[in-house]
Amino acid sequence: EVHLLQSGGGLVPPGGSLRLSCVTSGFTFDTYAMSWVRQAPGKGPEWVSDHIPSGDIAHYADSVKGRFTIFRDKSKNTLSLQMNALRAEDTAVYFCVRLRYITGGPIDYWGQGTQVTVSS
Amino acid sequence: DIQMTQSPSSLSASVGDRVTITCRASQGIINSLAWYQQKPGKAPKSLIFSASTLQPGVPSKFSGSGYGTDFTLTISSLQPEDFATYYCLQYNNYPWTFGKGTKVEF
Repeated sequence: EVHLLQSGGGLVPPGGSLRLSCVTSGFTFDTYAMSWVRQAPGKGPEWVSDHIPSGDIAHYADSVKGRFTIFRDKSKNTLSLQMNALRAEDTAVYFCVRLRYITGGPIDYWGQGTQVTVSS
Repeated sequence: DIQMTQSPSSLSASVGDRVTITCRASQGIINSLAWYQQKPGKAPKSLIFSASTLQPGVPSKFSGSGYGTDFTLTISSLQPEDFATYYCLQYNNYPWTFGKGTKVEF
């Protein structure tokens, strides 16, 4: 059974940094693309970033490009999102998600979500 | 960016009703369209991908159709557990974009 267990959220002041982690199990981590999706309070989901293992390619939403970095630790089956220069508008629940294929594709599994609040 | 226009934004329905939600893309996305169900305080759940393919384990009362720019999600006979918010997602072009959601209420 696929599990995506997230950690690392919290309260951070504007300009601060935070790292989110997602420990995966139940599937071969190397053979699936992974992504981060966030959802601000009362809003719909917003795609943030993904990592495609075939080619070691990362994509980012314009709103986070240059501030966020997605990476994976194959030895720990863990996906991470390093978030720097955080802004109030980054406040959201962040979901780690698995994509259906090694090359990308639709989301098939979601983590439980972790709250990130950017406020002074 | 591709805009996903979802309608209606909310609807009132009763148990046993047939419900249809639509999503229109601002440009063609072939069949790269997925549907998700979200209940309050929970992570979304994947229902359909490639416009019409059910995720494993999703009951057949859910169905999807469409190609190009116009897509629909249909729930054939609404049950109490189906009251939730539904979102579409296009994954044909970066950045991926979601619809604003349809809240299905009693």
